[in-house]
Formats: sequence, structure tokens, C-alpha cells
Amino acid sequence: DAGITQSPRHKVTETGTPVTLRCHQTENHRYMYWYRQDPGHGLRLIHYSYGVKDTDKGEVSDGYSVSRSKTEDFLLTLESATSSQTSVYFCAISESTKTVSSLHFGNGTRLTVT
Amino acid sequence: QKEVEQDPGPLSVPEGAIVSLNCTYSNSAFQYFMWYRQYSRKGPELLMYTYSSGNKEDGRFTAQVDKSSKYISLFIRDSQPSDSATYLCAMSRSGAGSYQLTFGKGTKLSVIP
Repeated sequence: DAGITQSPRHKVTETGTPVTLRCHQTENHRYMYWYRQDPGHGLRLIHYSYGVKDTDKGEVSDGYSVSRSKTEDFLLTLESATSSQTSVYFCAISESTKTVSSLHFGNGTRLTVT
Repeated sequence: QKEVEQDPGPLSVPEGAIVSLNCTYSNSAFQYFMWYRQYSRKGPELLMYTYSSGNKEDGRFTAQVDKSSKYISLFIRDSQPSDSATYLCAMSRSGAGSYQLTFGKGTKLSVIP
């Protein structure tokens, strides 16, 4: 699993509550990504980071924020969870953006918003 | 029209069969083409990677890209039960924005012993 740990692996939360998902890597890779995977949509990029404190939005960033205070940790926060954010969230890492073949995924966090 | 179209299946084949998985795309700027394999409750893992057009072979797996038709394929020879998984195609542009992968929805494959 390329040294990527996502926590928690499963979470059930109520609408309107804030939720933070954590991605921890031991590879010292510069680039980190958050994706969500939904039936009928495939994998979609939420946010990505190109260094400590350097982040940018992806395709589906509304309702999400991220932070990266250390190379190894990338946090995804749902500011006020909604049922439409029920999904499986994957963290990914890469050494470089020059060749995306280096993208490695964690095993996901299954989030249910009731 | 979505940028990347992939038949979700499911696809069920007997062990030993040749499997053909396909994706079509609409964005002619795509230069990198990938196939990921995803086992149940796991993250995707890169299986094959091709730049621009042509074929690439790795053991029982062959990836083909036809940019003129905007069509990519993954062939699995002598399929095994361990090949049962969801296969995702993915594509990206070159240069700036190359990190932005566009994924297909995935095709679920079952190989029956």
C-alpha cells in the first residue's frame, strides 16, 4: 500500500457535523491528493497538495477544505457534512506530477452521512 | 458527453478466457493513458501505463491506445480468478495539469473457475 494510512477506515456521522479524515504517508512524497469514489461517477479529485502548506482545489472541492502542516500528513475536512458527501474517500501520493504513473492510493475511508 | 466513458459491466468470464476492457474519450488533449485495478475494499493500483498511441505488453496484460479513434483497451490473456476486480481507465494531459487524472467509472470483472 505504498506506506499510506487513512484514518478512520469507516465513519458514520450526522448531517451538519464537521468531519476530518486523515492521510498519513511514510514515503516522503511531495504530492498528496484526496479523491472521492461514487457509483456512477468514478474517482474525482477533491483537493491536492504540492508541498507543506501548499494546496489547491480539484474538480469537486465545494464543501471541503484541506490542510498540510507536515510532509507526511494531509487532512480533509468536511466543514458541515451533507448526505451528498456520503462516499468512499481515497488519499493518493506521488513523487512528481511529471508522470502520473507514480500515483499510489491508500485503502480508503468509507464515510456515511445520515 | 462525459470526457471518459467506460462500460461498468459487470463482466463475467470463465477462467482462461481472453478479456477485453475498453474506454472511449472525447478530450484530444489526453496524452497519458492508464489502467488501474481495484480489488474490493482496496485502493486502486496502477496496472499499465501508456504514453500517446501504441501497444504495451506486460505478462498477460496488453494495453492499446488508438488516439485517432479516441479509444483505449486492456486485454487480459489466460484470465485467472485472481483477476476478478474492478478495472478503471484513467487519462491525463501532458504538461501543466498532468496531475489531473480523469477516470472512467470502472468495469467490474469476475473470472469464474
